[in-house]
Amino acid sequence: DAGITQSPRHKVTETGTPVTLRCHQTENHRYMYWYRQDPGHGLRLIHYSYGVKDTDKGEVSDGYSVSRSKTEDFLLTLESATSSQTSVYFCAGGEDNTQYFGPGTRLTVL
Amino acid sequence: AQKVTQAQTEISVVEKEDVTLDCVYETRDTTYYLFWYKQPPSGELVFLIRRNSFDEQNEISGRYSWNFQKSTSSFNFTITASQVVDSAVYFCALGPFGGANSKLTFGKGITLSVRP
Repeated sequence: DAGITQSPRHKVTETGTPVTLRCHQTENHRYMYWYRQDPGHGLRLIHYSYGVKDTDKGEVSDGYSVSRSKTEDFLLTLESATSSQTSVYFCAGGEDNTQYFGPGTRLTVL
Repeated sequence: AQKVTQAQTEISVVEKEDVTLDCVYETRDTTYYLFWYKQPPSGELVFLIRRNSFDEQNEISGRYSWNFQKSTSSFNFTITASQVVDSAVYFCALGPFGGANSKLTFGKGITLSVRP
């Protein structure tokens, strides 16, 4: 869905540093999601949002926080990055039970 | 708990062959949605189809067809006359019916390689 963009698209960081990934949407989706994709695990939900300032945890939320101050933007923060958080991160937005995904961010934690 | 199993991890076919990707799911919900997504080598996730649990009619879209069988909890995807451009990872997913939010449960994906 061209209406969902993610930045940065690639990032290399060091263990212990904070990292923020941004998801921006122009589709006015009420619901937004952050997933991580790892080999052998498929897609796993980290956090999701059901409105401005309304967020909840997914299945792999430890070490991550999110914020949504505007409908358009959903931020994912790794408070202190670890090597186990090396992954590809996808943002999604949706209505009516269907999710549309952004292009992904490849994060490497050294 | 909800679960989606894609038992095939990798499939390799020669162009023009037909190929079926299997998806088996578990849920205690009586109504639900099933989805297929495609992830080509470029990495993005592309929505292909959504079916609800009370519509068991097969769906066809060009070379793609989907067979939903509630009795066997399966939602299989067939590509007819495969092409190199069909090479991708395909994910099956399960989600709740009703309301606007959908916390999807994904399978681990099937890597399809179509050789010329």
